[in-house]
This record gives sequence, structure tokens and C-alpha cells, in this order.
Amino acid sequence: DTGVSQDPRHKITKRGQNVTFRCDPISEHNRLYWYRQTLGQGPEFLTYFQNEAQLEKSRLLSDRFSAERPKGSFSTLEIQRTEQGDSAMYLCASSLTTGDSPLHFGNGTRLTVT
Amino acid sequence: QQPVQSPQAVILREGEDAVINCSSSKALYSVHWYRQKHGEAPVFLMILLKGGEQKGHEKISASFNEKKQQSSLYLTASQLSYSGTYFCGTGHNDYKLSFGAGTTVTVRA
Repeated sequence: DTGVSQDPRHKITKRGQNVTFRCDPISEHNRLYWYRQTLGQGPEFLTYFQNEAQLEKSRLLSDRFSAERPKGSFSTLEIQRTEQGDSAMYLCASSLTTGDSPLHFGNGTRLTVT
Repeated sequence: QQPVQSPQAVILREGEDAVINCSSSKALYSVHWYRQKHGEAPVFLMILLKGGEQKGHEKISASFNEKKQQSSLYLTASQLSYSGTYFCGTGHNDYKLSFGAGTTVTVRA
């Protein structure tokens, strides 16, 4: 168990640019989640994959956000035309399929949009 | 669907006890508790699945009242290492968690 890894750890970008983050979950975990966390708040659900299928996407998520999980392994989260309001910590988590499985979080990617 | 946590913050001296509450407006499938230290990822503490269930983790335990849609986390004889922000995550199905805004716990020597 090497844990959930995320890359990059920090990303500074100018408004209007596109950014892509990568998440490598724990290898035997079928479920993968993306959450967003801003200062003083809890993680906010963005999207969820079961293997390669994206089964739920937050209604709060604009169409500038897209996520993929090809072949049910690693996942990418892309934000197009970034805005200052996108600045946040983006957390990836993975878990086993059973409902009583804990989420294992990565250390996150901190995005700053200037 | 975001659960409500209280209090927002608590300051303790080593050895003191504290209770953190988490309540939901919707029926719950599960409640998860996590602790996050500054600049780190949230770390899993425990899951509660059944009404009235209690679980323990060292001197940290929790209860889940399914009928009241509430859970409480109990910090007993607090240690310096208990400092951090505690989040409850509530599940209304078997795959998605919604997190509260967190309770910041500061334990002082």
C-alpha cells in the first residue's frame, strides 16, 4: 500500500489557462473521488468513478471541469479557462467498493489562479 | 446535504475531554470521521454504519444515532497529538460522502 499520490503538489497559473492534475489511487481500489477544499471548509464532492466509469458529477461543477479515469487506473482532472474562484486544494481519494470502506486521501494539489 | 458540525472550534488542555457533534437533515447510511492536520491530507479515524453503534480508536470514540441522524465524536483524556481539524462525512448511499465544515481542536500542554 503506497498510498494515493497526486501530481503536482502545487500549481500556479494565470486566469484563462488550462490545468490538468493527476491522481494515482491505491492499486486495488475500484473507487476514485475528486474533492475540492477551500480554507476553513471541509472537502466538497466533485466527482466519482467506479473503475473507469464516471458515475456521478456534482451539479455545482461547471462544464469547464472534466475528469477521466482511463482503464480504471489513474485519473486526471482538467480545468479549462481557469478563474480566480478555482483556487483551492484539489483532493483525490480512493476506496474499495464496499460501503463501509474508508476514503484514503492523497496530499492534494494546491491550485492558485492569479 | 452538507452535515452541520458543532462546535466550530475547541481549545483543550492535555487530559481534558471534548465532544464534537455532527447532524444531518437527511437519513444516513453511514458516518465517517476524519482528522486533518495543517497542510496534510485528511486521515480516516472510523466509520459507523448502524444506529446506536459506538466505536473506539485509542481514546477517541464515536456514536451514531440513526433515528436522530446524528453522530458524536468523543475525545477522552486528550493528547497533544489530537490537535487538528475533525470532519464528519455523512453518507446517504454507499459511495458518496458529504463533509461538514470541520471542528478545529487545539490541545495545549
